[in-house]
Amino acid sequence: NAGVTQTPKFQVLKTGQSMTLQCAQDMNHNSMYWYRQDPGMGLRLIYYSASEGTTDKGEVPNGYNVSRLNKREFSLRLESAAPSQTSVYFCASSDMRGASGELFFGEGSRLTVL
Amino acid sequence: GQSLEQPSEVTAVEGAIVQINCTYQTSGFYGLSWYQQHDGGAPTFLSYNGLDGLEETGRFSSFLSRSDSYGYLLLQELQMKDSASYFCPAGKSTFGDGTTLTVKP
Repeated sequence: NAGVTQTPKFQVLKTGQSMTLQCAQDMNHNSMYWYRQDPGMGLRLIYYSASEGTTDKGEVPNGYNVSRLNKREFSLRLESAAPSQTSVYFCASSDMRGASGELFFGEGSRLTVL
Repeated sequence: GQSLEQPSEVTAVEGAIVQINCTYQTSGFYGLSWYQQHDGGAPTFLSYNGLDGLEETGRFSSFLSRSDSYGYLLLQELQMKDSASYFCPAGKSTFGDGTTLTVKP
């Protein structure tokens, strides 16, 4: 049982390049989330998808786009990377859209923008 | 919106008991969760309090008082592996900066 799988685990980009972070879960969860975590800080929600076919902005959506490809997959795209987007990105899923319901996290994708 | 307040750092010795407090302000409160994150790792779920009172899971207990907008995580019989950051999100959008717990021998 893999849980939540993120790819790639590490990536270095130059300013202005684009890339997509992939996330897949095999727990049949309805809700999926993308967070970023800067050094020494907590997680901030970028975008979330409460169910297949819907996406909504979180706290820090600027500079990102998302696609809920199907129930399993939720991708995060940086169209024109900036050094301020250097961070660790976590994908998570949950079987409940409300405040309760455990979040299951992937191992993270470490992105450096030069 | 939401705001969370936790101490930034707590230090304790192995075998001791430590309490990590969390106060929150949020519109539309549905409960308080606790997550643990080791350095370089992903957050993992510890507990959830939807109602007032104490929830116990092994060495960890979590408490909520909705009238005081306050909760805490109690860790007993501390072990070195408990050294980590602890977050108390009130929902899924705001995790706050968390509390770094250092357990010393």
